[in-house]
Amino acid sequence: DVKVTQSSRYLVKRTGEKVFLECVQDMDHENMFWYRQDPGLGLRLIYFSYDVKMKEKGDIPEGYSVSREKKERFSLILESASTNQTSMYLCASSLVSFVMNTEAFFGQGTRLTVV
Amino acid sequence: AQSVTQPDIHITVSEGASLELRCNYSYGATPYLFWYVQSPGQGLQLLLKYFSGDTLVQGIKGFEAEFKRSQSSFNLRKPSVHWSDAAEYFCAAYSGGGADGLTFGKGTHLIIQP
Repeated sequence: DVKVTQSSRYLVKRTGEKVFLECVQDMDHENMFWYRQDPGLGLRLIYFSYDVKMKEKGDIPEGYSVSREKKERFSLILESASTNQTSMYLCASSLVSFVMNTEAFFGQGTRLTVV
Repeated sequence: AQSVTQPDIHITVSEGASLELRCNYSYGATPYLFWYVQSPGQGLQLLLKYFSGDTLVQGIKGFEAEFKRSQSSFNLRKPSVHWSDAAEYFCAAYSGGGADGLTFGKGTHLIIQP
């Protein structure tokens, strides 16, 4: 089974802190994604990566950055956390292209609270 | 702009009754379509997907979905719901051609009445 593991289920951070959310997948997937989930807004794409050291902005990248130094690991970074970044963060991975009849596999999510 | 719309924010269904969750998409060409389920406090699990071919797609947990090109819809159905089906359901689409991720609807919260 594909496994996407997010390092923390719950995090509480203070405003202004630098926050790292870690995600690891074990299926050698090329693509990795970070989504943010908020009630009534569904999932919104923050960043994605299609290869090591490659990244592309999604729909809401402001206030976030990412790092992909190894194929299996994709980190989301909040440079200076703010209260409006309190949310559920979901990591996902997939094979290189959905035309290969694949799907995105999701981690369990990290619920981040910024106080 | 490409979008996925789930018109119903909440749906309440009695246990044993049938279910239909609506999903409409707005894309230039037919996208790849997915339904995911999220149980409380959990990540997303794929129920089913449509890439091409037969427009009636069978998924896990007794769910099915029908793709209707003329209506730009991909509605999810289940003939008889169980209390364990209470969850958040997301429709998603992918236009193809790159690693730009899935576009999700805002979700439908399914409540099961005893």
